[in-house]
Amino acid sequence: DTEVTQTPKHLVMGMTNKKSLKCEQHMGHRAMYWYKQKAKKPPELMFVYSYEKLSINESVPSRFSPECPNSSLLNLHLHALQPEDSALYLCASSQGLAGPSTDTQYFGPGTRLTVL
Amino acid sequence: SQQGEEDPQALSIQEGENATMNCSYKTSINNLQWYRQNSGRGLVHLILIRSNEREKHSGRLRVTLDTSKKSSSLLITASRAADTASYFCATDRSGYSTLTFGKGTMLLVSP
Repeated sequence: DTEVTQTPKHLVMGMTNKKSLKCEQHMGHRAMYWYKQKAKKPPELMFVYSYEKLSINESVPSRFSPECPNSSLLNLHLHALQPEDSALYLCASSQGLAGPSTDTQYFGPGTRLTVL
Repeated sequence: SQQGEEDPQALSIQEGENATMNCSYKTSINNLQWYRQNSGRGLVHLILIRSNEREKHSGRLRVTLDTSKKSSSLLITASRAADTASYFCATDRSGYSTLTFGKGTMLLVSP
């Protein structure tokens, strides 16, 4: 199984809502990532988890809160978002042995988030 | 900040033709990867080339790396309509353990 799944596929939320994005992989990967991608732009790294611990936070605002409950799951909790946070949120995983820059990353299909 | 810059930004060709995309970067790297993204979907890893390699092949893909010029190229031979996608190069930076994606090239292959 080389699949990374993400739910939901689409999410529309108001600025006062609290919602969560979910990501799951069953490849035994020990590194998981959240990226944000605006239209016609490249993905931008948000967070990296390595062996279920947050290893990199790319200065992401606190209204985005990641969580890694176990080695297969990665959540992104959203609260008090702004319209400019509307984007495609991508989850990825990798083996985690050689480091994020050398591992092949496997991406999920993404969650299309719209903040009203 | 972005490390890689692809060119061209957009490329339109006919099926059967070859497509060449270029990537330039600014700082020294350990390796460079190419990814493909179909419209609004997740990225798919295509190939990784290490800094001590000059050329690598995978099926219809050929990647070159010139570390002296800080550039890489991706050649897709005998293109198909299914190759229509955005292509991103991704580099690490010495001393950093994360990937930085370039701006991407949008490839359109017409039947």
